[in-house]
Amino acid sequence: EVQLVESGGGLVQPGGSLRLSCDVSGFSFRNYWMNWVRQAPGKGLEWVANIKQDGSEKYYVDSLKGRFTISRDNAKNSLYLQMNSLRAEDTAVYYCARENNWHRNLDFWGQGTLVTVSS
Amino acid sequence: QSALTQPRSVSASPGQSVTISCTGTSSDVGGYNYVSWYQQNPGKAPKLMIYDVSERPSGVPDRFSGSKSGNTASLTISGLQAEDEADYYCHSYAGSYTYVFGTGTKVTVL
Repeated sequence: EVQLVESGGGLVQPGGSLRLSCDVSGFSFRNYWMNWVRQAPGKGLEWVANIKQDGSEKYYVDSLKGRFTISRDNAKNSLYLQMNSLRAEDTAVYYCARENNWHRNLDFWGQGTLVTVSS
Repeated sequence: QSALTQPRSVSASPGQSVTISCTGTSSDVGGYNYVSWYQQNPGKAPKLMIYDVSERPSGVPDRFSGSKSGNTASLTISGLQAEDEADYYCHSYAGSYTYVFGTGTKVTVL
């Protein structure tokens, strides 16, 4: 069974940093692109970033470039999102999702982890 | 990377059909046949319902169908059922390994 489990969310002050993790099981992690998607409270989904199978290529939504960094550890079957200089508008549920390499969709999702940026 | 445009809400009675539009540009929806649709229930993760414009993953009822014309993709739910009440999001490849979601549509079963 494919499983993706996010962790690392919580309350952080504006300007602070947080690192999210996504532990996966049930499929060969090293063979898939992986993504982060976020959803602010009561709002829609926003694609955040993705990373190639070997970590050699990373892409971001323009509005977040420079503050967020996606990474992965294929030996640990884990995906990460380092978030710096956090702002109130970064408050959201953050989902990790597997990207179907052949059809460019997000076929499996985690349950999400809530990040709240507030003083 | 502007969000794709969807109607805020649509509604219909059980057994009827609803169609949700998703309008983008030639740089995303119109440029690639990589449009997918996701169903999201309150407090839950999104679920893939349609991919490659019109393909259904295993287990998705055939009352869900997708299409595309130019820069606009559409999701149609035929024979609407109470369990279909949820939020729906379109998603498109936007080139250079980036993606964009739609603004989301709430489907209400009257």
